[in-house]
Amino acid sequence: DSGVTQTPKHLITATGQRVTLRCSPRSGDLSVYWYQQSLDQGLQFLIQYYNGEERAKGNILERFSAQQFPDLHSELNLSSLELGDSALYFCASSVGTRIYNEQFFGPGTRLTVL
Amino acid sequence: QQQVKQSPQSLIVQKGGIPIINCAYENTAFDYFPWYQQFPGKGPALLIAIRPDVSEKKEGRFTISFNKSAKQFSLHIMDSQPGDSATYFCAASKDAGGTSYGKLTFGQGTILTVHP
Repeated sequence: DSGVTQTPKHLITATGQRVTLRCSPRSGDLSVYWYQQSLDQGLQFLIQYYNGEERAKGNILERFSAQQFPDLHSELNLSSLELGDSALYFCASSVGTRIYNEQFFGPGTRLTVL
Repeated sequence: QQQVKQSPQSLIVQKGGIPIINCAYENTAFDYFPWYQQFPGKGPALLIAIRPDVSEKKEGRFTISFNKSAKQFSLHIMDSQPGDSATYFCAASKDAGGTSYGKLTFGQGTILTVHP
């Protein structure tokens, strides 16, 4: 158990809908990262927050947004969902922002868009 | 643009064998190279990592070999066990102006199967 929690575990929804994925980092970790894992694209970095502020953006679609709240939990919002958004979404946390700060991954949320 | 290329896609070895997974990167600014292990239904977990100022790092049965001039690094698993069967990802990250944001660029993954 990495100490990172993600809810829900599974999510099934329809095209055009909006969903929210939630992540609670390990106690004491200030950085939260979101990654998308799909069969064709592999593991892709989406976005990073540190202590409530956005720090880095990767290949995140404009339909996707995220935020980190004062209690450090984070939410990833996916809107106008398309079939291609079906994937595993992982949240990871680390104590800081340095590259050698180990990132601890949560168990993921499996999103299925029908 | 795939900046970290990983091979092979899948690998089958017998117990006790030494599977080797290779990765090549393009961006010379990368200066941190971790390997992650992922079991079905779980998130990736850090296995071992190396920085480019060393050519080899060993932790238990896992060894990273690093060739900076060739921009390649590899994972060797000594005395492999059935419990090592998992998907392995190499990754790379770069410091950005002294304050890194830690984002990882992953390889495509290697599915390792170790037969008893």
